[in-house]
Order: sequence, then structure tokens, then C-alpha cells
Amino acid sequence: DVKVTQSSRYLVKRTGEKVFLECVQDMDHENMFWYRQDPGLGLRLIYFSYDVKMKEKGDIPEGYSVSREKKERFSLILESASTNQTSMYLCASRQQGSIQPQHFGDGTRLSIL
Amino acid sequence: RKEVEQDPGPFNVPEGATVAFNCTYSNSASQSFFWYRLDCRKEPKLLMSVYSSGNEDGRFTAQLNRASQYISLLIRDSKLSDSATYLCVVISNTGKLIFGQGTTLQVKP
Repeated sequence: DVKVTQSSRYLVKRTGEKVFLECVQDMDHENMFWYRQDPGLGLRLIYFSYDVKMKEKGDIPEGYSVSREKKERFSLILESASTNQTSMYLCASRQQGSIQPQHFGDGTRLSIL
Repeated sequence: RKEVEQDPGPFNVPEGATVAFNCTYSNSASQSFFWYRLDCRKEPKLLMSVYSSGNEDGRFTAQLNRASQYISLLIRDSKLSDSATYLCVVISNTGKLIFGQGTTLQVKP
């Protein structure tokens, strides 16, 4: 079974802090994704990566950056956290070119105070 | 026009009702289709794949209509526990994965 692990289930940070959300997958998937999930808005893609050191902006990249130094790890960075970034963050991975959907991590519920 | 569109609802139905959601997609070359269930504060869970021949899993039936470019999800005998947001997912011929906005279902006693 594919395992996508997010480093924290719950996180509380202060406005202006730099926040790192870590995600690791163990199935050698090329593609990794970061989403945020907000009530009434469904899932929105922040950034994705097709392979190591590659990254592409999703639908809502503003205020975020990512890092993919190793294939198994995809980090989401909030450069200067703001209250409107309080959300549920979901990491996912997928085999490149697969017709199968993504595998999701358990999510990180981030609160910015 | 969005690549994948769903009626956000909410759909409010009584227990025992049959309810159906549709999801339209714009890329006729799309390859694969899925329904996910999204519960508040939890990660999305794959509900079922969608095939042209139809796919049934207990009270749930998923259908693909390629000619009209939509997929559907039918839930029979609704339970309170079916209350959730249902996301459709489309994978294009280029491997791009697109989520719909989600349709919210509220099943009332």
C-alpha cells in the first residue's frame, strides 16, 4: 500500500512566521501535489511537482513556495504566514502517467493566529 | 468554462431518498474518472472509479456518458452517514488530474 505521510496533523503558528509542511511518500512516485481544503471551496491546488527539483504553480500559489530536493519528499513553505492561510493542507502523490488517482496523506490542519 | 464542473449544492434529502449528482468535463479526450468522498477535517477518500459500462458498489452507482461528457453518481437509500462532499476527478489524456469543486450532500433524519 502506498503511504503518504505528512509530518503534522495539527499545527498552530503565528502571523508572520515561516512555516514548513513536510510530506513524504514511499512508492517512488514522480508526481507530488499540495492542496488546501476549505469549506465550500473543495480542493484547490497550490503547487505540484512532476519530478525532483521540478515545480509548477497550481491555482493558488500566492504566499506559498515548495521544495523537492528528493523524490520522496515535497515540502510546502509559507514564507510569512497570514490568517487567511488557516486551512487543511493535503499532500498527494501519483505515478507519472498513471490513469489511477492520487494517494493522499492524512492532512495537516494549520491554524495561523 | 471550468474543465470540470459540479453543482456545489447543497443537496438536502431525507433518509432513504435516492439522490444523483452529475459532473461535466470539457476535454473529450479525458481518460479516467473517479468519485471521491470528502469529509470535513479529513483527507479525500476514493469512493469508486467510473467506467462507461457503469460501476455499482452497494447503494452507489457511477456512470460515464462520453457522448455528453459527464459522469454521474447515484446514491440509493440514503443514510445519515452519506452526508459529505462528493468530488469528481478527471484525468486527461495528458495525465493532468483535475478535481471538481465538489457537491455537498446533507441527509436529514
